[in-house]
Amino acid sequence: DADVTQTPRNRITKTGKRIMLECSQTKGHDRMYWYRQDPGLGLRLIYYSFDVKDINKGEISDGYSVSRQAQAKFSLSLESAIPNQTALYFCATSDGISRDEQFFGPGTRLTVL
Amino acid sequence: KQEVTQIPAALSVPEGENLVLNCSFTDSAIYNLQWFRQDPGKGLTSLLLIQSSQREQTSGRLNASLDKSSGRSTLYIAASQPGDSATYLCAVSHTGKLIFGQGTTLQVKP
Repeated sequence: DADVTQTPRNRITKTGKRIMLECSQTKGHDRMYWYRQDPGLGLRLIYYSFDVKDINKGEISDGYSVSRQAQAKFSLSLESAIPNQTALYFCATSDGISRDEQFFGPGTRLTVL
Repeated sequence: KQEVTQIPAALSVPEGENLVLNCSFTDSAIYNLQWFRQDPGKGLTSLLLIQSSQREQTSGRLNASLDKSSGRSTLYIAASQPGDSATYLCAVSHTGKLIFGQGTTLQVKP
């Protein structure tokens, strides 16, 4: 079984709809992250959480919110989706100690019409 | 503000060639540097991680080097194969967050 899972894997929605993307991990890591990837722009950090009670904005947090429900779960919400939020979204985790290597989920492809 | 640049953006080589992918960063205060592989429409697979105190890491046909003082890292792929075709991303870590380059898309022709 995959260590970092994301649901849904694909989603098509309409402008103005509320969308939630979910991430779960079985690695036992404290740190979790949400990134988006756009063609030609690489990956950019949206939000990150270093433990259950910690939430921090990343480079491009406007229009997004997150919830850290448990050590293993980190959800990303788009309160009112707009077309320029069409992208590939990735969740990642790390242990926050020693190497602090980040491990990524398979991604969610979101299309906002 | 940390910026990460990867050159070239795309590379096409015949099978069997040794090749080097480049990554540069503007702020040497990094915790580590990771190289990832991404297949089209897929997630990221971590290839190598070099901690700031290290100079290089090796895994099979891959070797990554790090020169913090000059703000550079290279990923060396030996004896390239068609299965190596993918996008390669480098990312530097500072205060627990990764800053990514835009990637190099590699095509290895049979």
